[in-house]
Amino acid sequence: QVQLQESGPGLVKPSETLSLTCSVSGGSINTYYCHWIRQPPGKGLEWIGYVYYIGSTNYNPSLQSRVTISLDTSKNQISLKLSSVTAADTAVYYCARSPSLYYAQIWGQGTMVTVSS
Amino acid sequence: QSVLTQPPSASGTPGQRVTISCSGSSSNIGSNTVNWYQQLPGTAPKLLLYTNNQRPSGVPDRFSGSKSGTSASLAISGLQSEDEADYYCAAWDDSLNGWMFGGGTKLTVL
Repeated sequence: QVQLQESGPGLVKPSETLSLTCSVSGGSINTYYCHWIRQPPGKGLEWIGYVYYIGSTNYNPSLQSRVTISLDTSKNQISLKLSSVTAADTAVYYCARSPSLYYAQIWGQGTMVTVSS
Repeated sequence: QSVLTQPPSASGTPGQRVTISCSGSSSNIGSNTVNWYQQLPGTAPKLLLYTNNQRPSGVPDRFSGSKSGTSASLAISGLQSEDEADYYCAAWDDSLNGWMFGGGTKLTVL
């Protein structure tokens, strides 16, 4: 059974870079799309972007200048970096894997990141 | 503000049939398929329906979806207490070149 697990610092200072890792177990990321989605406390979902297993990426235009998504197929891991964070970036961050570009088939449990000094 | 519009809340009694709407535009629902996610309290979202009306393995056939033009809907028949959750629609948006989510609908089982 495929499982995804997000990990990283739970607290990031304003203006610094948020860095998260998504580890995939029980399956591969080869031939799959891996997405990052976030959810501010008490609010809805926002798509951040994706990386395809060959390394191509696509980002939400509202975040494009600050976000980088990459993968390490040898470790079966996907990473997210979001620079120059502010309080507005406080959210639960989810990674998701899918055979399709158009939907997220399997989600991680999410990790809460708070931006505060 | 979400590009896909959902009612903020919906409710029903056990056994009832409820529907949740999702309204978009020609750049998203009008030209791409719709997916639905269920988020139980305190948990991660789960794929409920994909490609308008396809159920992943394990999703009961009480859940169904439809799409017409620039709108879509999720129907839940035989409502159960465990269906109480937030429901999100989503679709690829050609202008954004990415996913758009609806604002979510909180379903209460009375």
